[in-house]
Amino acid sequence: AAGVIQSPRHLIKEKRETATLKCYPIPRHDTVYWYQQGPGQDPQFLISFYEKMQSDKGSIPDRFSAQQFSDYHSELNMSSLELGDSALYFCASSLGGTPGYEQYFGPGTRLTVT
Amino acid sequence: AQSVAQPEDQVNVAEGNPLTVKCTYSVSGNPYLFWYVQYPNRGLQFLLKYITGDNLVKGSYGFEAEFNKSQTSFHLKKPSALVSDSALYFCAVRDGGGGSYIPTFGRGTSLIVHP
Repeated sequence: AAGVIQSPRHLIKEKRETATLKCYPIPRHDTVYWYQQGPGQDPQFLISFYEKMQSDKGSIPDRFSAQQFSDYHSELNMSSLELGDSALYFCASSLGGTPGYEQYFGPGTRLTVT
Repeated sequence: AQSVAQPEDQVNVAEGNPLTVKCTYSVSGNPYLFWYVQYPNRGLQFLLKYITGDNLVKGSYGFEAEFNKSQTSFHLKKPSALVSDSALYFCAVRDGGGGSYIPTFGRGTSLIVHP
């Protein structure tokens, strides 16, 4: 079965640079979530989209922005990168905006800021 | 507001023995409860969920979880642990009573199964 695809899998950037992370949800899934996971930590919710509209916003810095496109893929844009942005970034998708649906996570993008 | 607590950072069990990973929750409405497993450098993988119905929920890889409303718990269990079950386990809750549908995750419990 098709899974959530994230690209790139690894990314190395320098401070103050920008980065774009891409997420391709499972076909027919209309909801996309972005999470940040630091070492030894639980995933921290950043932002979500339902039917291409922002549905919820978590602890996403103002330097970050995201959108969901007409084909339901999503991109997380990160600017003015800081050392503290180094983390695993996960995208997850689910079917529908109701709470009973489980999330399917991608393999993650490991961002290293030097 | 919703919250999840996983009181154990780490659980150690011998292969072949039963395992339990604990989770308690707090929501204002009806709880929708989930367990996920994360292997090193991988994304979270859905194991099982409780929405309604039978309190004992069966999921992937022989795992099951028991919903206990009075104790607000949703402990993950497996009758016989395998070394390959060693991973990080996350409990998550969503409030079915409305509001945000974003799940709240626990801090995770590292399960180590010894040969």
